[in-house]
Amino acid sequence: DTEVTQTPKHLVMGMTNKKSLKCEQHMGHRAMYWYKQKAKKPPELMFVYSYEKLSINESVPSRFSPECPNSSLLNLHLHALQPEDSALYLCASSQSPQNYNSPLHFGNGTRLTVT
Amino acid sequence: GNSVTQMEGPVTLSEEAFLTINCTYTATGYPSLFWYVQYPGEGLQLLLKATKADDKGSNKGFEATYRKETTSFHLEKGSVQVSDSAVYFCAPYSGGSNYKLTFGKGTLLTVNP
Repeated sequence: DTEVTQTPKHLVMGMTNKKSLKCEQHMGHRAMYWYKQKAKKPPELMFVYSYEKLSINESVPSRFSPECPNSSLLNLHLHALQPEDSALYLCASSQSPQNYNSPLHFGNGTRLTVT
Repeated sequence: GNSVTQMEGPVTLSEEAFLTINCTYTATGYPSLFWYVQYPGEGLQLLLKATKADDKGSNKGFEATYRKETTSFHLEKGSVQVSDSAVYFCAPYSGGSNYKLTFGKGTLLTVNP
């Protein structure tokens, strides 16, 4: 069982919808990440939160809006997405981003389809 | 930033065959090295790691040794099983101001009975 929980597992949304992806961890980790993974490709980093502050935004379009309400929760708000945004969205956490000995722990992802 | 060159698949083996997946990297500083595995329909799981030169990471019969002189971290298993069928990602991680986990392209392994 994964220690990083993502909901929902699957999401279908239209291009005018607003939805949110949720991620939760209770390992006391202070870094949390959003990755996007297209089929047969490696995950691509989108955002990094360090101690609940956004520290990395990999030039992600503004239709993706991350939020970190507390050290255990990470949300990704979606609005006006495009069909090419369909992908597996993975959340991950680690003890802290500066600790390079600390591996990332991934959730099982949300499979998003934009119609 | 870091970069990874990983053996591209797909790799198809028979059960009990020997597996090697090559991985070489370039990295700033002195990275930790990870292998992640992704089973069908799931997220990524940490398979093994090594944090300094000559360290050997091992888990579930898989092994990889941190070779600083050749900047390599090749994954090996002596006898693969059908349940090992998955995608394997090599990933160096430097932390510090460059705390981005950089993945290789992934190697799809299929093990046939």
